[in-house]
Amino acid sequence: QKEVEQNSGPLSVPEGAIASLNCTYSDRGSQSFFWYRQYSGKSPELIMFIYSNGDKEDGRFTAQLNKASQYVSLLIRDSQPSDSATYLCAVKLYSSASKIIFGSGTRLSIRP
Amino acid sequence: DAGVTQSPTHLIKTRGQHVTLRCSPISGHKSVSWYQQVLGQGPQFIFQYYEKEERGRGNFPDRFSARQFPNYSSELNVNALLLGDSALYLCASSLEAGGMGEADEQFFGPGTRLTVL
Repeated sequence: QKEVEQNSGPLSVPEGAIASLNCTYSDRGSQSFFWYRQYSGKSPELIMFIYSNGDKEDGRFTAQLNKASQYVSLLIRDSQPSDSATYLCAVKLYSSASKIIFGSGTRLSIRP
Repeated sequence: DAGVTQSPTHLIKTRGQHVTLRCSPISGHKSVSWYQQVLGQGPQFIFQYYEKEERGRGNFPDRFSARQFPNYSSELNVNALLLGDSALYLCASSLEAGGMGEADEQFFGPGTRLTVL
């Protein structure tokens, strides 16, 4: 079992709709959770982090964390063509270091 | 404020050669992490350094080494290059290592694209 699992996609969503991206993780000791956006040929860009159960909202983005189910998700409201990218879920394991484990990413395509 | 910078942007080497990649963190950040990203995969953790000390190491062979300097910049060295080392090498900086919340956020540089022939 992979430590961080994501559906590779592509996930196709019409412009203006809500895009829902999901991620599961295997280590119950995980303490922080991150969503990165990566455009083709570019480096990952941090969108949000969350470390408490529940929802965290930032603009059009909402991260949701359920530690009991070992599940984290990202919702993108009012999807725009510029949101088309690969979204990487990342998990930080509890330790003295900030070792972050990434999933393989979900490709999101917003169709006009 | 300048973000994380990396050099060079692209590099072509042949098998068996050695390579050094460089990274300068965001001003005020004391921690630097290195990642390898092959096409179609997420970044894989190689090293983390904080205050010039190694704080974490991923599952990479001893051919990979790194260090951090007093100004918090960092180098990643790879010896005896193999074809499989071809990848995008990413450097990320954060305020601290092992922190929580904002101190934990890692910001990536543009990466170095290494091609091994």
